Amino acid sequence: DGGITQSPKYLFRKEGQNVTLSCEQNLNHDAMYWYRQDPGQGLRLIYYSQIVNDFQKGDIAEGYSVSREKKESFPLTVTSAQKNPTAFYLCASSMGRILGYTFGSGTRLTVV
Amino acid sequence: GEDVEQSLFLSVREGDSSVINCTYTDSSSTYLYWYKQEPGAGLQLLTYIFSNMDMKQDQRLTVLLNKKDKHLSLRIADTQTGDSAIYFCAESRRTGANNLFFGTGTRLTVIP
Repeated sequence: DGGITQSPKYLFRKEGQNVTLSCEQNLNHDAMYWYRQDPGQGLRLIYYSQIVNDFQKGDIAEGYSVSREKKESFPLTVTSAQKNPTAFYLCASSMGRILGYTFGSGTRLTVV
Repeated sequence: GEDVEQSLFLSVREGDSSVINCTYTDSSSTYLYWYKQEPGAGLQLLTYIFSNMDMKQDQRLTVLLNKKDKHLSLRIADTQTGDSAIYFCAESRRTGANNLFFGTGTRLTVIP
């Protein structure tokens, strides 16, 4: 079955460490997105990529980095520069406007 | 940026109808969506409506669109406990990349 997979589901990080969240899709979607979700604030766009080897900053890109070397994969690195990284992170992919987005099941990152 | 607005909370009794409201920002938005998020999970697309439609019905779900007021609503008939979740509206704007803009989400609680 086609879908979008995020791993791990839960992640704990010590302050000062970088950590990478995985996002893989086998839907043949061109576009991929990373969102951060905090209680009462909805979804905020971190980075997006519309095509391989290209990506754009979203509204809250500071302290994050991404790569898009393959169509199927769009990993997100949360760097030590991100001041408040504890959140629920959602990855999504899209083929076009009509179909909206397909979301992964999310990764909950906790800084300890 | 401009926000897509939703009330944060809604409580209804099992068997009653639920109406979740959303005010969006761009009068030229082409598609509007409703997503459902269950605890600890990603977002699931429930339904969408083209901007040239006033209403769309899909089983227990009815979407109403008032373009003049930029108001979108989702009505759930015969609400069940399994409908308890966070509901997000989202708009697809004409300008820029193929990004969706999400509301803050409405947490629906169904009381048995």
